[in-house]
Amino acid sequence: AQKITQTQPGMFVQEKEAVTLDCTYDTSDQSYGLFWYKQPSSGEMIFLIYQGSYDEQNATEGRYSLNFQKARKSANLVISASQLGDSAMYFCAMRERGSNYKLTFGKGTLLTVNP
Amino acid sequence: GAGVSQSPRYKVAKRGQDVALRCDPISGHVSLFWYQQALGQGPEFLTYFQNEAQLDKSGLPSDRFFAERPEGSVSTLKIQRTQQEDSAVYLCASSLEPGGRGELFFGEGSRLTVL
Repeated sequence: AQKITQTQPGMFVQEKEAVTLDCTYDTSDQSYGLFWYKQPSSGEMIFLIYQGSYDEQNATEGRYSLNFQKARKSANLVISASQLGDSAMYFCAMRERGSNYKLTFGKGTLLTVNP
Repeated sequence: GAGVSQSPRYKVAKRGQDVALRCDPISGHVSLFWYQQALGQGPEFLTYFQNEAQLDKSGLPSDRFFAERPEGSVSTLKIQRTQQEDSAVYLCASSLEPGGRGELFFGEGSRLTVL
């Protein structure tokens, strides 16, 4: 089974609107971390936000927030007030306690922000 | 430099050639990862170093792939007798400490094309 599932290959959003990128995960570990990375066309992976499995509050970083629903094993990324520079690939990733610290990535969602 | 540096950025190899990809992590970062990213996919884990020790090489696809980090800083990923299926972007990432909220800092990758 896929450990990280991103069901939206592509998403479109109008500039200044909010958008939600979906991510579901599969793990039997009780302790794990969830990450979102942005990959613009230059290729570099840019860290956006982190959520620990024991964190009681949803993580927020500026315009990024993570809608963490533990029982449903979902960790959706919400981008508020989209900007043209947000157009990029977005990857959800998980680090499990027993994984030797490696991240497992989903297949990604290509976000296009329209003017 | 301040970030993770990878070289070469682009490499074209003839099938059967050996290639070496270099990663210069952020100074002082203990953990170093190599990932392989095929076109349109998320990064796939290859191998992990903690200082000079290679603690996990479970993701290396075959014995043609070899990685080293002899002095605990610069790392080299070597691919022997390259095949067309080795064509991908090879990403290097480092972090200050393993696990937890340890953010991975990625380089821009080395794009390998095998003809």
